[in-house]
Amino acid sequence: DIQMTQSPSSLSASVGDTVTISCRASQSISNYLSWYQQKPGKAPKVLIYGATSLHTAVPSRFSGSGSGTDFTLTIRGLQPEDFATYFCQQGYSTPTFGQGTKVEIK
Amino acid sequence: QEHLVQSGSEVKSPGASVKVSCKTSGYNFYDNYIYWFRQAPGQGLEWMGWVTPRNGGANYAQKFRDRVTLTRDTAISIAYMELSGLKSDDTAVYYCARYVLGVGKDYFDQWGQGTLVTVSS
Repeated sequence: DIQMTQSPSSLSASVGDTVTISCRASQSISNYLSWYQQKPGKAPKVLIYGATSLHTAVPSRFSGSGSGTDFTLTIRGLQPEDFATYFCQQGYSTPTFGQGTKVEIK
Repeated sequence: QEHLVQSGSEVKSPGASVKVSCKTSGYNFYDNYIYWFRQAPGQGLEWMGWVTPRNGGANYAQKFRDRVTLTRDTAISIAYMELSGLKSDDTAVYYCARYVLGVGKDYFDQWGQGTLVTVSS
């Protein structure tokens, strides 16, 4: 299985901040990388697919970059509803997820 | 509006089996694979397998191959996940998700609300 390693595991930020979350694959996955947001007690919601494509109705403050093994999710102008846990997921082979990054209010 | 709605929480004894349903609506059931994942408390997501509604074909993660069965009923657009030989570390929230595959697209766009399965004696 391809291992996905996210960093940091948690971070504290304020409304309006820019936040960056990293995800590294154990081997090259081209651009088969998606990002999900999950709130407590809820199912994940897709934000980004194909490493850089914004899913329908996702605000433009979310963006993704990277290819190969290193990827980044950036949230510019953090909003109160963005405090959640974020996961990366590779689709190059059978799906695997990062362990998550919890974004908390500072 | 596409929806996936799962069956309710379950409490099972060790060694028992559980069957979780995932009712789909708002789209052509045949068009998308259904994947199953689980999430143990405070943990990440773990892939269990997928089923293709078109012919019922399934593929399972090695970890679950001996214990999980994925099926579907096309007449009522429902996918099922049955896990046998339950152990305490099978306690988790189980999710179904719709898989989108296309040019430049490879992701899970609709998810069930999750089903908590608790294994306890």
